[in-house]
Amino acid sequence: RKEVEQDPGPFNVPEGATVAFNCTYSNSASQSFFWYRQDCRKEPKLLMSVYSSGNEDGRFTAQLNRASQYISLLIRDSKLSDSATYLCVVNKGTNAGKSTFGDGTTLTVKP
Amino acid sequence: EPEVTQTPSHQVTQMGQEVILRCVPISNHLYFYWYRQILGQKVEFLVSFYNNEISEKSEIFDDQFSVERPDGSNFTLKIRSTKLEDSAMYFCASRGQLNEKLFFGSGTQLSVL
Repeated sequence: RKEVEQDPGPFNVPEGATVAFNCTYSNSASQSFFWYRQDCRKEPKLLMSVYSSGNEDGRFTAQLNRASQYISLLIRDSKLSDSATYLCVVNKGTNAGKSTFGDGTTLTVKP
Repeated sequence: EPEVTQTPSHQVTQMGQEVILRCVPISNHLYFYWYRQILGQKVEFLVSFYNNEISEKSEIFDDQFSVERPDGSNFTLKIRSTKLEDSAMYFCASRGQLNEKLFFGSGTQLSVL
């Protein structure tokens, strides 16, 4: 089983759509969780951290369910500029905090 | 915002040659990492470095790979004898505290011919 598993995608949605990405992780000792965004041939950039209580940043909402080892990202009112690959990232919190990346889910928002 | 700096942005080398990829992490960070991404594939962990030693490495990080922090600012990845399959984007990253976000450099695209 992969350490971090994401929806395979790709997702192709019209502007204004709501889209949800799912992610599961295998290590129950994982400490911290993030969603990163990666544009083509660029470095990953932090989109948002994911907290147990759930958190929102504008059009983006992240949820964490530790019991199910499940993380989600919801994007409302999609914009063309949201087109990117979204990476689910999980930190072990030990051994200098190795971060494990999911394969990524590619989103294309079309006019 | 502070940045992680990587040089060069592109490196072309012949198979069997040694390459050194350079990184300057954010100055007050304590944890340093190298990741790689083969074109079209996922971001893969190579190695983590803390307190002047390797704390964890992946199975990719074999004897051909080494890391150094030769002074207070640079963090280097050396590949001793490059193979075709080492062609990838190599990202350096750093963080200040254990569960904080990673700050990535813009990467070095390594092409082995």
